[in-house]
Amino acid sequence: KAGVTQTPRYLIKTRGQQVTLSCSPISGHRSVSWYQQTPGQGLQFLFEYFSETQRNKGNFPGRFSGRQFSNSRSEMNVSTLELGDSALYLCASSLGGTGRPDTQYFGPGTRLTVL
Amino acid sequence: GNSVTQMEGPVTLSEEAFLTINCTYTATGYPSLFWYVQYPGEGLQLLLKATKADDKGSNKGFEATYRKETTSFHLEKGSVQVSDSAVYFCAFARGAQKLVFGQGTRLTINP
Repeated sequence: KAGVTQTPRYLIKTRGQQVTLSCSPISGHRSVSWYQQTPGQGLQFLFEYFSETQRNKGNFPGRFSGRQFSNSRSEMNVSTLELGDSALYLCASSLGGTGRPDTQYFGPGTRLTVL
Repeated sequence: GNSVTQMEGPVTLSEEAFLTINCTYTATGYPSLFWYVQYPGEGLQLLLKATKADDKGSNKGFEATYRKETTSFHLEKGSVQVSDSAVYFCAFARGAQKLVFGQGTRLTINP
């Protein structure tokens, strides 16, 4: 079974621009979560989508948004980029329908650099 | 609030040494506990997990036991290899697909 895929793997943007990252979950997984990884703050939860609905949200500003499509693929958007948004963005998928925390399987990440 | 505290790194050991990476958590109720590993340039891989008190997770020679009374989930391996060099993250989740991670422990194994 193919793993979680993320595109693109690397991105370079300038301040003020916006960016869209894509994540394709493992086949059959309906939950997709996004995390931001930085040297200073570590791994932080952004949001989770399940069956096209945002089910959980972390403490990030409204510039960070996401959506999920009917095939469970998810996109994350960051508008008005700031230097501090430079990070590795990780997507994780899981079955998500059990009501208890499922094992999350992570993709390789998208490395975003904001200049 | 909810948090995970991991042993600070970096940790450097010789091959075949015994490894312990300490992890304690602060959370209400009965969270599920996880250890993830991140190899250079890669995403996170699940190493092991435990979902209830006294459960022991194990994989690839690594073990960790869910200790509710001490709110701990320490990672151990009896004999480490050079290929175990990576960053290790302890994490928990409660009732949702939202992992709370520790800061990570960088492990280097020298031959």
